[in-house]
Amino acid sequence: EAQVTQNPRYLITVTGKKLTVTCSQNMNHEYMSWYRQDPGLGLRQIYYSMNVEVTDKGDVPEGYKVSRKEKRNFPLILESPSPNQTSLYFCASSRGLAADTQYFGPGTRLTVL
Amino acid sequence: AQKITQTQPGMFVQEKEAVTLDCTYDTSDQSYGLFWYKQPSSGEMIFLIYQGSYDEQNATEGRYSLNFQKARKSANLVISASQLGDSAMYFCAMREGVGGSNYKLTFGKGTLLTVNP
Repeated sequence: EAQVTQNPRYLITVTGKKLTVTCSQNMNHEYMSWYRQDPGLGLRQIYYSMNVEVTDKGDVPEGYKVSRKEKRNFPLILESPSPNQTSLYFCASSRGLAADTQYFGPGTRLTVL
Repeated sequence: AQKITQTQPGMFVQEKEAVTLDCTYDTSDQSYGLFWYKQPSSGEMIFLIYQGSYDEQNATEGRYSLNFQKARKSANLVISASQLGDSAMYFCAMREGVGGSNYKLTFGKGTLLTVNP
């Protein structure tokens, strides 16, 4: 089954404790992206990647890191999480064509205390 | 200025009736794409329908159709024969440009649809 998976689905952590949210897709997609969803603000892009070893900032990259060492994986790293990073996070992927649909993972609900 | 505007924070519809969810967009690009996603209470984002700016026909996918009025910059979602399972948040999104390196989607704030039995 074609899908985007994220782990963990739920996470409660404390300020400053490094964490990684994994994202993996099995569709051989070139393009991957991370979004965060906050009430009243909608979904905003954090980082994106056009292919292996090619990443760039989205609209709200502060406090996040990403890497793309393999085509299928695009982990989101929070080196020192803060409470304002409490949010619902989505990973998305698509082929490397502008018209292509972006498929979203199931989301990761993160709470930083 | 907002790039995607969804003016209806909430909508109610009776089961089996049709409903239209409004979306207007703002772009100066000639080439762009418009998407609708559904987000049920469980939280996942489900792709529903896509319309390209150069597509002459309105997109349809089963009970979903997109009423694309390019001159008005509107891309309304029409759901026919509503079902209880259609109750969810619906997001309109736009991807601008072609050939750029970032296929970022810009989302509207969403419309919460409630289908009544």
